[in-house]
Amino acid sequence: AQSVTQLDSHVSVSEGTPVLLRCNYSSSYSPSLFWYVQHPNKGLQLLLKYTSAATLVKGINGFEAEFKKSETSFHLTKPSAHMSDAAEYFCVVGDFGNEKLTFGTGTRLTIIP
Amino acid sequence: IAGITQAPTSQILAAGRRMTLRCTQDMRHNAMYWYRQDLGLGLRLIHYSNTAGTTGKGEVPDGYSVSRANTDDFPLTLASAVPSQTSVYFCASSRESPDTQYFGPGTRLTVL
Repeated sequence: AQSVTQLDSHVSVSEGTPVLLRCNYSSSYSPSLFWYVQHPNKGLQLLLKYTSAATLVKGINGFEAEFKKSETSFHLTKPSAHMSDAAEYFCVVGDFGNEKLTFGTGTRLTIIP
Repeated sequence: IAGITQAPTSQILAAGRRMTLRCTQDMRHNAMYWYRQDLGLGLRLIHYSNTAGTTGKGEVPDGYSVSRANTDDFPLTLASAVPSQTSVYFCASSRESPDTQYFGPGTRLTVL
């Protein structure tokens, strides 16, 4: 069975400071891992995706995530927050052989001017 | 059409009424999905379809039905709506399952 835990329901950072959104996963097989972003009243947009290639994955808008198998983590980072980064972020895990993706409960990122 | 469209954008519905949420994609993706999003619960899978002509149950299928008569369309039907079905509903598609899913803009449904 697969599962994902987003360790923080809400994160606040000042504009220009680093962002860290934490995600731990559980998977029976070699997982696919995703981060999606949802801006207010919008659908979900893919930020980045890990599928057993490079462990450091670069996404859109300056975000990146590192797959750490020993820690079962896939934390999302960005060196310098921008006001437009304010949104809800979802960590997602999928197993090949299992049709479904499992979504975390989300982390709301607030940027302080 | 580019990507996934959903209709209606929002709807207020009396309890007990039947309602169909529409979803259409033009990417020729094989797999399609319906999710509901509720505060604090993230997205939960209602039903999915790996290819036209097949469907499967997700995490929260009760009270919902789907059909997949062709590749492009994947309607979600509430046979007799109840207030607990008040939610935001998202349709998604992917080339195959599991793979990157592309989401529609959502339908906000309120059942009174």
